[in-house]
Amino acid sequence: DAGVIQSPRHEVTEMGQEVTLRCKPISGHDYLFWYRQTMMRGLELLIYFNNNVPIDDSGMPEDRFSAKMPNASFSTLKIQPSEPRDSAVYFCASSLGGTAASTDTQYFGPGTRLTVL
Amino acid sequence: DAKTTQPTSMDCAEGRAANLPCNHSTISGNEYVYWYRQIHSQGPQYIIHGLKNNETNEMASLIITEDRKSSTLILPHATLRDTAVYYCIVRPSTGNQFYFGTGTSLTVIP
Repeated sequence: DAGVIQSPRHEVTEMGQEVTLRCKPISGHDYLFWYRQTMMRGLELLIYFNNNVPIDDSGMPEDRFSAKMPNASFSTLKIQPSEPRDSAVYFCASSLGGTAASTDTQYFGPGTRLTVL
Repeated sequence: DAKTTQPTSMDCAEGRAANLPCNHSTISGNEYVYWYRQIHSQGPQYIIHGLKNNETNEMASLIITEDRKSSTLILPHATLRDTAVYYCIVRPSTGNQFYFGTGTSLTVIP
């Protein structure tokens, strides 16, 4: 398997523009996670899905952020409108899930480095 | 959820064993300890996990104390490529969230 795939790897945009980040989880994984990493706040969980359904979005910073998972092989994280403080690295991760610790291991993608000017 | 405490940074000589400690004094009986690392500009990488027995894989060994209040990740022969931030995480007994703290920044010195 190619692992978790994210696109784009780098995104530079101007304040006020819409930004869409994409993620393809590992095939067969039922859980998908979106994280954001900044120097100030470290690695934060934004939202996660189980079988394409959002389970916990309490980490989503505000209404400008939205995430969808239309099918088992694709998810998007959208920021509209974007602001300079959204500049960060956004990671997607997936796991098999379930109750066993071995299946809970999360595998991370390479991340998208977002810069909002 | 159990919190973890790790030293902010550590150095290790190349070829020597790197021992990274983690305190998780409030861990519950059914909560697992996971270790991840993040090499600069890459996504976090899974290393190992355990419940109460010591564990070993091709990357590292995990030693968990008998009272489970602390653990140590051991990289037996550190290389320069092991320079990274190492995160100790306690998997909550309910839910699937992992909470990453600040981790330990390990620098392997030639």
